[in-house]
Amino acid sequence: AQSVTQPDIHITVSEGASLELRCNYSYGATPYLFWYVQSPGQGLQLLLKYFSGDTLVQGIKGFEAEFKRSQSSFNLRKPSVHWSDAAEYFCAVGGSGGYNKLIFGAGTRLAVHP
Amino acid sequence: GAGVSQTPSNKVTEKGKYVELRCDPISGHTALYWYRQSLGQGPEFLIYFQGTGAADDSGLPNDRFFAVRPEGSVSTLKIQRTERGDSAVYLCASSFKGGGNNEQFFGPGTRLTVL
Repeated sequence: AQSVTQPDIHITVSEGASLELRCNYSYGATPYLFWYVQSPGQGLQLLLKYFSGDTLVQGIKGFEAEFKRSQSSFNLRKPSVHWSDAAEYFCAVGGSGGYNKLIFGAGTRLAVHP
Repeated sequence: GAGVSQTPSNKVTEKGKYVELRCDPISGHTALYWYRQSLGQGPEFLIYFQGTGAADDSGLPNDRFFAVRPEGSVSTLKIQRTERGDSAVYLCASSFKGGGNNEQFFGPGTRLTVL
């Protein structure tokens, strides 16, 4: 069955520290992978996506993610976190077929201490 | 506005009532998705429209849920005989086309509370 696991429900980091949010997926075919961010009262915003090619992808707001097929992982990283990065982060997997029914993880809530 | 809009932003109803939730996609987007996000969970797929037709409604939880998109633009999600378990945020997303490499743009959602 297709699924996405985000092992960390909550993460707290200090401003300026590095960040890594974990994501593991189970998908029978070649996956399309996404990270979205959701701030309170805001819609989901796409941070980055992986379709093919270079396994290290760059996104907006200084985020990057690395696709590791052997580990079925797509972890999100940022070298230096800003207070404005506090939000909920969702990893999602979709198909390369005719349409993109996204399967989301349960999310990781990020808190940033000053 | 150029984004996906959803109305109402909040809806409170009583158990057993009927509700309609509206989604206005980005102009020109042919693909439209509905998701449901329960508290503490990620969004779950409900239904996908390509144009006017529902190409995949496999995520609708039961026959109390129905969605339409009669002119290939605005979509309405309809819930009959609401139950407390239907309380959630209902998200709509649109993309230029349905293919997997087309980014989905999400609306702010409608928070439905069933008392």
